Amino acid sequence: DGGITQSPKYLFRKEGQNVTLSCEQNLNHDAMYWYRQDPGQGLRLIYYSQIVNDFQKGDIAEGYSVSREKKESFPLTVTSAQKNPTAFYLCASSITTAGRAYEQYFGPGTRLTVT
Amino acid sequence: LAKTTQPISMDSYEGQEVNITCSHNNIATNDYITWYQQFPSQGPRFIIQGYKTKVTNEVASLFIPADRKSSTLSLPRVSLSDTAVYYCLVASQGGSGGSYIPTFGRGTSLIVHP
Repeated sequence: DGGITQSPKYLFRKEGQNVTLSCEQNLNHDAMYWYRQDPGQGLRLIYYSQIVNDFQKGDIAEGYSVSREKKESFPLTVTSAQKNPTAFYLCASSITTAGRAYEQYFGPGTRLTVT
Repeated sequence: LAKTTQPISMDSYEGQEVNITCSHNNIATNDYITWYQQFPSQGPRFIIQGYKTKVTNEVASLFIPADRKSSTLSLPRVSLSDTAVYYCLVASQGGSGGSYIPTFGRGTSLIVHP
């Protein structure tokens, strides 16, 4: 059963703690993405990766970090430097980012609450 | 990067056809137009993608005029389960190494009434 998994679905943290969100895909896609969504808003791009061991900042990368050591995995760390970390985080993947925009497959999301 | 403009909200009734128009005045030659659907607390789901003229699949049609400065998503005979947010995307080539990175706007919130 191919797809993208994100864990956990809900995550609670205290302010000042770093937290890592998991994203795994078995679609054999080269490209992966992290988005943030706030209530009533669209998705904003945090980071994307076109290939293993490479990643680029999106529109709102400050306070976040990522790694892409394996094709299947693209974990996102929300650091204590992120001023407003409470949000719904979505991971996605696509075949590639080259040539044109291909269909993105999204995971179920992780809702992070920081108090 | 190309930006899109679409209505913030729309209302319809079950059984009606719904047309959601998106404007993308500065779309580049190589850009495709893609539509996604999102239900609350879920990730968006791909609906349809096109480059020009008309594209149809089992759930929707996409109409793109010759100048490609706008597009219209058509949902035939909507039901209550079509209540969702619909995003129009144009992924411009602007990322690292010439990669195509899609940008999501706020989308159109469609409410289907009984």
